[in-house]
Amino acid sequence: QKEVEQNSGPLSVPEGAIASLNCTYSDRGSQSFFWYRQYSGKSPELIMSIYSNGDKEDGRFTAQLNKASQYVSLLIRDSQPSDSATYLCAVRNSGGYQKVTFGTGTKLQVIP
Amino acid sequence: KAGVTQTPRYLIKTRGQQVTLSCSPISGHRSVSWYQQTPGQGLQFLFEYFSETQRNKGNFPGRFSGRQFSNSRSEMNVSTLELGDSALYLCASSLRGGGLQETQYFGPGTRLLVL
Repeated sequence: QKEVEQNSGPLSVPEGAIASLNCTYSDRGSQSFFWYRQYSGKSPELIMSIYSNGDKEDGRFTAQLNKASQYVSLLIRDSQPSDSATYLCAVRNSGGYQKVTFGTGTKLQVIP
Repeated sequence: KAGVTQTPRYLIKTRGQQVTLSCSPISGHRSVSWYQQTPGQGLQFLFEYFSETQRNKGNFPGRFSGRQFSNSRSEMNVSTLELGDSALYLCASSLRGGGLQETQYFGPGTRLLVL
């Protein structure tokens, strides 16, 4: 079982729709969760971080965390063509000097 | 504040050669992590340095090594290059690397092509 799992996609949504990206993780003691966006040929950039159960909203983005189900998701409202990118889920593992593990990413395509 | 910088941005080497990549973290950041990104494997953790000490290491062969200097700048070295080492090498910095709510910030990466 991979430590952090994401559906590779592509996930295609029409412009203006809600895009829902999902991620599961295996380390039950994980405490920190991050979503990065990566455009083709570029480096990852942080979109959201979430540390406690529930929802966290930032503009058009909402991160959702359910530690009991070991599940974290990212919702993008009013999706724009500029949101087309690969979205990486990252989890900081428990234990000393916590290591950050990345999923392989979900490719999102927003169709105009 | 200036972001994370990496040099060189692009590199072409041949099999058997060695290569050194450099990373300068954000000012004040003392933790530097290195990742290898390939289309098939995604982002794979190489190692993390803090205060000139390697704290974490991923599952890569000994050909991959790194170090950190007193000013927090870091270098990684790959010896005896193989075709499979062709990848985007990303450096990420954070304040201390262990804080619960600490965030990593990535540099632009070095794209290495091994022929």
